[in-house]
This record gives sequence, structure tokens and C-alpha cells, in this order.
Amino acid sequence: RKEVEQDPGPFNVPEGATVAFNCTYSNSASQSFFWYRQDCRKEPKLLMSVYSSGNEDGRFTAQLNRASQYISLLIRDSKLSDSATYLCVVHLRLGYTNSSKLTFGTGTRLQVTL
Amino acid sequence: DTEVTQTPKHLVMGMTNKKSLKCEQHMGHRAMYWYKQKAKKPPELMFVYSYEKLSINESVPSRFSPECPNSSLLNLHLHALQPEDSALYLCASSPLSSYNEQFFGPGTRLTVL
Repeated sequence: RKEVEQDPGPFNVPEGATVAFNCTYSNSASQSFFWYRQDCRKEPKLLMSVYSSGNEDGRFTAQLNRASQYISLLIRDSKLSDSATYLCVVHLRLGYTNSSKLTFGTGTRLQVTL
Repeated sequence: DTEVTQTPKHLVMGMTNKKSLKCEQHMGHRAMYWYKQKAKKPPELMFVYSYEKLSINESVPSRFSPECPNSSLLNLHLHALQPEDSALYLCASSPLSSYNEQFFGPGTRLTVL
């Protein structure tokens, strides 16, 4: 089983649509969670952190369910500029090395069309 | 300065060449990372430096040799690479805090002939 699993898509949606991405992770010791966005041939950029209480940033809402080891991202009122790959990312702190490790899901491709 | 810079942006090298990738950040981050990303795949962690010391090596072949000269710089020395090593090499940095948001550089696109 992969450490972080996502539906690769692609998700093709019209402008204005609401779209949801899901992600599951296997390591219950994982401590923090993120959604990154990656445009074609560019570096990943942090979109938002994900908290158990759920958090919202404009049109984006992220949710974490630790019991189910499940993370979600909801995008409302999709824009053309939202077209990108969305990477689910899990952080594990390695206490013995005072460092940490990020594990990326394979990413979900979103294409927003007119 | 809130960015991670990487040089060069593109690199083409032969299998017998020696080259180096460079990464720099001035955000005071004490953790720095090298990732490798193949087309249509997620980034894969290669190395982690914490307080300028190598803390994680994800079983990377010795033809990749990282170096952290100081808290702002991270190098990746390349020698005797194979064509399958062609990829986007991403550097990232983060503060050493509980929630390690990582900030990525634009990457170096490497082609090994």
C-alpha cells in the first residue's frame, strides 16, 4: 500500500463548479498535513495546511480525519487558474534526527474549462 | 527574502561529467532538502540536512553527493550519472518547527545523455 494515495484524475470541470479531492495516508504517526499545488514544469507550492478542525482559505476548504487517516480538499467556484496538479502531503517528524520527512501523494490533476 | 533559488535552471551532461547543482535560501531555515521528480510523478525525497548535518539519506546512489557548506547553501554534486537520472531536481527548505511547511526552489531540469 502506498504511503499517501490520491485519485490521479484528471478531473475536468467547468468554471464555477465545486470539486473535491480525497487522500488517504497509511502511517498513523504522521503529524501534519498539507495540500501543495504544482503547475506544469514548475515547483510545488504550498496551498494550505490541513487541521483536524477543518480550515478554509477563500474558495479552498481542507479537512482532516485522523481516525480514518483521510484528508480532503474542496474548491468552490473553480477558476481557469485553478488548473494544476494538487498534491496531498504528509509530514512525519523524525525525533531521533531532529528533522522530518514529507511524503507526497501522486497528485490529482485538475483541468477547469470554459 | 522569502524564496529558495536554484542554479542552473537547466543542465545537460554526459555520463562521464562532474557537475554540481546549487541551492540557496536566506529565510533562516535550518532544514534543507533535495528531491528528485520524474515526469508525472510526485517529488521523491533524496536527502535532508538539519543544522548543516546530513540527517536523512533515502538510499540514494553514491553518484549523488550532497554538501551543506553553511546554513544558507546546499549543493548536490553529480558524477557518473546515468540517463535514468534525468529529472527535475528540487531543493526545499523549512524552519525546524512542529509543522514543517517546506518552501521549494524552481528546480534544475537535468538531462543526462
